[in-house]
Amino acid sequence: KAGVTQTPRYLIKTRGQQVTLSCSPISGHRSVSWYQQTPGQGLQFLFEYFSETQRNKGNFPGRFSGRQFSNSRSEMNVSTLELGDSALYLCASSLAPGGVDSPLHFGNGTRLTVT
Amino acid sequence: SQQGEEDPQALSIQEGENATMNCSYKTSINNLQWYRQNSGRGLVHLILIRSNEREKHSGRLRVTLDTSKKSSSLLITASRAADTASYFCATDRNSGNTPLVFGKGTRLSVIA
Repeated sequence: KAGVTQTPRYLIKTRGQQVTLSCSPISGHRSVSWYQQTPGQGLQFLFEYFSETQRNKGNFPGRFSGRQFSNSRSEMNVSTLELGDSALYLCASSLAPGGVDSPLHFGNGTRLTVT
Repeated sequence: SQQGEEDPQALSIQEGENATMNCSYKTSINNLQWYRQNSGRGLVHLILIRSNEREKHSGRLRVTLDTSKKSSSLLITASRAADTASYFCATDRNSGNTPLVFGKGTRLSVIA
């Protein structure tokens, strides 16, 4: 079974631009969660989708948004990029919502650098 | 805010030694999970322990959970250089419909 696929793997953008990251979950997984990882803050929860509905949202500004499609693939968008948005963005899928009773399966992330 | 906090932040040991990492959390939980992350890659699930369990084993891994102290420990026995990675605990708050919250991790270096 193919794992979680995130594209692109690396991205360099300039301040003020917007970016879209993509995540394809493991086949059969309907829950997709997004996390931002930085050296200072660790893993911070962004949002979670289950069957195309946003179940949870973390404490991030409205510039961060996401969606899930009917095939469970998910995208997240960051508009008006700031230097502080430079991070590793991780997507994770799971059978049950939120990985509470079933583990999260992570992709290898998208490394976003904002200059 | 962080629910789980790992201790120590970094640990360096010789191959063959045991490595112990601790996790403390603040609120009641349904379960606690441990994950490993190799540099620049995604996290890999290691083990899940439920709030009504005290100890769980998986290969060279042993996890304990003490809900009265709100703490967990991960023991890796007979460590190998390939165990070099960051280790994270993740908890769910026992209040329903909340996402997993990760600690900042313990960075383990196993020297051959």
